[in-house]
Amino acid sequence: DTVLTQSPALAVSPGERVSISCRASEGVNSYMHWYQQKPGQQPKLLIYKASNLASGVPARFSGSGSGTDFTLTIDPVEADDTATYFCQQSWNENTFGAGTKLELK
Amino acid sequence: EVQLVESGGGLVQPGRSLKLSCAASGFTFSNYYMAWVRQAPKKGLEWVATISTSGSRTYYPDSVKGRFTISRDNAKSSLYLQMNSLKSEDTATYYCARRTGSYVMDAWGQGASVTVSS
Repeated sequence: DTVLTQSPALAVSPGERVSISCRASEGVNSYMHWYQQKPGQQPKLLIYKASNLASGVPARFSGSGSGTDFTLTIDPVEADDTATYFCQQSWNENTFGAGTKLELK
Repeated sequence: EVQLVESGGGLVQPGRSLKLSCAASGFTFSNYYMAWVRQAPKKGLEWVATISTSGSRTYYPDSVKGRFTISRDNAKSSLYLQMNSLKSEDTATYYCARRTGSYVMDAWGQGASVTVSS
């Protein structure tokens, strides 16, 4: 299985820029996607295939990377961005990262 | 508006079976692969199954292979997950999701809660 590793938590102030990383145990080409999940809600697609913004998602969100290292960037961070962010690869079946909990200071 | 609505969750004893349903609307269901993804309490997401547009091809991770069966009825715009020989570790919220041609799940239901306990 392709294991995806994310940092467990981050805390930033509103208006700052934050980068959330996801490292794959093997190359996943560009088939890395990012989701936002708020408590009690279903996941919401933010970025697909590494750098493509999903429909209706604010341009404050962006994605980059290829191969094994990927990054989700939020700039600037807003209070509503408090959530857990998951990466997912679909190059080798489907696996998800454990999630990065983003808290605002 | 794309809508996915799961149903059929509940409390079930270990070793028993349960069938989840997902009613789709707002898009041409038969044009999309569909998937199930689960999330154990306070845990991350785990892919459970994927089915092709016609239903002729299905895919599972080893954790559920042989116990779970994904199926669909395109005439009813419905997706199903038959879960047999349930274990306590199958306790989770089960999400129905639409899969695009980019191999990403771009729409999710609100989830159905399944608790496996005696």
